[in-house]
This record gives sequence, structure tokens and C-alpha cells, in this order.
Amino acid sequence: SAVISQKPSRDICQRGTSLTIQCQVDSQVTMMFWYRQQPGQSLTLIATANQGSEATYESGFVIDKFPISRPNLTFSTLTVSNMSPEDSSIYLCSVVVWRPGSVTGELFFGEGSRLTVL
Amino acid sequence: KNEVEQSPQNLTAQEGEFITINCSYSVGISALHWLQQHPGGGIVSLFMLSSGKKKHGRLIATINIQEKHSSLHITASHPRDSAVYICAVRSGNQFYFGTGTSLTVIP
Repeated sequence: SAVISQKPSRDICQRGTSLTIQCQVDSQVTMMFWYRQQPGQSLTLIATANQGSEATYESGFVIDKFPISRPNLTFSTLTVSNMSPEDSSIYLCSVVVWRPGSVTGELFFGEGSRLTVL
Repeated sequence: KNEVEQSPQNLTAQEGEFITINCSYSVGISALHWLQQHPGGGIVSLFMLSSGKKKHGRLIATINIQEKHSSLHITASHPRDSAVYICAVRSGNQFYFGTGTSLTVIP
């Protein structure tokens, strides 16, 4: 299993500012993901955080708006830049952990960061 | 069309009732996950299935690969079961998520 500590758990921010969300995992993981969940919506993948290289972004998300760092196999940050009210969402980090001999990985999520932009 | 469809979208039950949440998917999968999201936003993995049936306490999850369908059952429901339940499937290197079923269990 994996225990993920994500912070902040919630924040209220002013339009035009930036906020960095941190995700710490209690074990080394290869695959780490950042998701956004807008009110009433399902999870949308923002990007895959790659250790030692640039993140891989999904369509509709760009590095300038959502810069990601992944300095090692246990930690990642997501920054939401130049925020607008449309960025109000829950942001979640997630990891996939493979058990020895398994062909599929188990999903683990952080507690989520509920962001409100005024 | 979404790759993962859940029903119902919202569900209200009396404490003690048997609850079923359904998930249908349209892609080939290597695994299906049932997740629970509490009001604070955090998500907990309940089950990972690739075939058959799994049981944890009052929770039972089944999957029919041929029909591309899974169900999550809660026996003897309790108010603390109130949460959003999300079905997710892994297809290749992609995860697809349902929009969730919001469950409220009334004492």
C-alpha cells in the first residue's frame, strides 16, 4: 500500500495569484498523477509527473498554467498559476503501486486539496 | 459518450438497506477499481478487480468481463457509508473514471 500526504487540504485564493500543492508518498513510486475534479464532475487527469524529466500533460493542460515538479520518487508538487475562479476545484495526486507478480497496479490518492478562487 | 458510466447518479437509502451501485464501461480493461470519496475530497481505494468477486466486510464488488459491467454492493448500510462512490478502469496506461454515485444513508 501507499500513504499519501497532500497539502494544503484547502485554500481560498485571490484571482491572479498562484498556489503550490505538495504530495508526499511514504514509499518510492514510479507513476504519480495529478487530477482535477471540478464541482459535480469526474476526475480529469492533468498530467503524469515523471521523476527526473518534464511532466507529461494531457490535452487542455499546459506547463505554464500547471507547472509540476518531481524531484524524487516520493515527492511532487503541482502549481496552479495565475488563478481564476474557473480553477476552483479539488486537486488530487495519485500513485499506482504494483504488488510483486501483479500485472495491474492499485490506485492510491491523496486527501485532496480543495481550492476556491475568489 | 463516456468510457465509464455509473448508475444511479444519486441514491438515498434508509439505514440497514442493501445498496447496489452499477458501473458499465466500453473499453478493454486490465483492472477495475471502486473508490470512495468523502465530503472532504480525499479518495480511498475500496477494491481492485480483474475478475469475479471480492468482499471486504459489508462491501462486495463483482465484475463481469464479458458484459463489461461491475457492481458494488453494500449490505446493512450505515450513515457512515454516505459518500461518493467512483468506478475507475485501467485501459493500457490510461485510467478512466465514472462521474460517481452520491450515496446518502439516512438513520
